[in-house]
Order: sequence, then C-alpha cells, then structure tokens
Amino acid sequence: GENVEQHPSTLSVQEGDSAVIKCTYSDSASNYFPWYKQELGKRPQLIIDIRSNVGEKKDQRIAVTLNKTAKHFSLHITETQPEDSAVYFCVREGNLIFGKGTKLSVKP
Amino acid sequence: NAGVTQTPKFRILKIGQSMTLQCTQDMNHNYMYWYRQDPGMGLKLIYYSVGAGITDKGEVPNGYNVSRSTTEDFPLRLELAAPSQTSVYFCASSYQGLASGEQYFGPGTRLTVT
Repeated sequence: GENVEQHPSTLSVQEGDSAVIKCTYSDSASNYFPWYKQELGKRPQLIIDIRSNVGEKKDQRIAVTLNKTAKHFSLHITETQPEDSAVYFCVREGNLIFGKGTKLSVKP
Repeated sequence: NAGVTQTPKFRILKIGQSMTLQCTQDMNHNYMYWYRQDPGMGLKLIYYSVGAGITDKGEVPNGYNVSRSTTEDFPLRLELAAPSQTSVYFCASSYQGLASGEQYFGPGTRLTVT
C-alpha cells in the first residue's frame, strides 16, 4: 500500500534554533497534509495542516510547506522552545498511514 | 464538550481473555477510528467507521472487532488476547472524511497482556 516516509527519526536542537522535519509520500492522490504533535504520555494533537492548493501555511512559529511535484511536505519550527519537545507525526490521509515519527528535543 | 472519551485508562489482561475498549464522542462526528501505538512507534489504524452501521478494516485489524450502532459510540473488542496486543489504544473522531480533516483523539487506553 501507499506509505509515508518521515525523516529524521530524532532531532536535537538548541533553544532558539530552527527545526525541520520532512515527509515523503508516493502517490499523487493526497490532497490533505496534516502534522500532529504528541507530548510524552499524551494524545496526538493537530498542530498544522495544509491542502494541496497552497504551497505554504504559517501559524506563528510553525509552518508547513508542500512540494507536490517532489511529493514531500515539511514541518518548520522556528525559535524553538523547550515545550516544543515532543514526537511529531505526518499523516497520509486517505488510508490514514502515520509516519514513524520524529522525536524533537529542544535543549535549554 | 468532553470531546472523545475512552475507558478504561489502564488494563491488564491474561492471555486468552477478552475485553471491550469503550470510546464515545460528543461532537456528532460521523467518522471514528481506532489506532494502536506500540512503544516508540507511530500509530497504526485498526478499524474505522464512516457512520453508524458502517465499519471497515484498517492496516492491522487481525484479533480485533468493532461495531458502530450509534454515532457517539465505537467500541473495540479484543477476543483471545495475545501478548502482541500489548499497546496503547487511541480512539479518534473527525468531522470531515478520511482524506480531509482534523482527527480528535481520546486520552488512550494502556493495555498489557501477560
């Protein structure tokens, strides 16, 4: 079936630095690209999403970019803070395949 | 609104026992989902439902059953529990369908099978 590949699996940054997580998908039918954040022991929560008719969407320090030609979408977090430490998942909607997750650690 | 609620929060089962994980949402969402999350891994879809009376298999349905008799409730049944079913189970719901909308997750049920 169709999968989504997420990289990197772990990411450690200093507070204030930027973090970028990338997901690559293989089919052309996807039109909705969400990112979920899961803090330790908590439930996943949507932090940002993008639809295929736009290339970029921003919400304060978080942005998502979409490259439909290359079939990848990326999560960008600027000015990282310790509370950004969590696992982040991209999702291939349609058959609801989650990426394997990126564990982000922000060191004060 | 309570959102999506799940019971129980924790459960220990012996091999071969059965149980039902409960999930209820009060947002009048048509779409509901069951996932499992193994330690350090992503979520895998077990079953989903697009409305009352309609269910379908996800990526890892073996060993599980579901029913959807009302819009609000989507219980997950484990028959003959096995150690491989030790996991955290999340229920979710969404207003929009599989291809288009935010999923709202419950707090999860941590299940151990020994």
